[in-house]
Amino acid sequence: GNSVTQMEGPVTLSEEAFLTINCTYTATGYPSLFWYVQYPGEGLQLLLKATKADDKGSNKGFEATYRKETTSFHLEKGSVQVSDSAVYFCASFNAGNNRKLIWGLGTSLAVNP
Amino acid sequence: DTEVTQTPKHLVMGMTNKKSLKCEQHMGHRAMYWYKQKAKKPPELMFVYSYEKLSINESVPSRFSPECPNSSLLNLHLHALQPEDSALYLCASSLGLAGGQRSYEQYFGPGTRLTVT
Repeated sequence: GNSVTQMEGPVTLSEEAFLTINCTYTATGYPSLFWYVQYPGEGLQLLLKATKADDKGSNKGFEATYRKETTSFHLEKGSVQVSDSAVYFCASFNAGNNRKLIWGLGTSLAVNP
Repeated sequence: DTEVTQTPKHLVMGMTNKKSLKCEQHMGHRAMYWYKQKAKKPPELMFVYSYEKLSINESVPSRFSPECPNSSLLNLHLHALQPEDSALYLCASSLGLAGGQRSYEQYFGPGTRLTVT
């Protein structure tokens, strides 16, 4: 069945450090891929998305590229800020399958000043 | 405007109470969702409505009863809940369930934090 695997956290970085959060997926066909972010005490926000191979999603300095050959959608940011401290969820959606978002377990990021 | 609103923000209820959670969106989305989220876990899908009809019920206990009065509103009626039902309840919406790439983007509300005593 479809699944999403994220690197386990928590991830702790200093401000201005480089961030990578790994995400890989298994799916039949070609799912759409998403990164959602959840700040403390809040709901989920769509951070970025990609709908086909080699698409790059980007937002707020974050980027992720849909890699079909490695079935990956790793999240990166060149210079993190304290305000980026949150939980990040990778998710896939395959309309041809069960039409549900398949979620990774989430990766908690703490950025220290 | 990509806003989904939810009320109340917090709710404390006893196991014999009846309460309702409300969700509203004005983006013209035709699919709406209820999720349950426990701390530090991904959200778990409960229900999906598409064009105001229940499309998916993830075998949710009958003490949770969804309702979609119109395309902008989604309610979740709660009755005889258990303490283990305490969680963050999230509403989301999307353009549709299928039919174009943008259909799949789900926009979430801030959630209702429910405590069952």
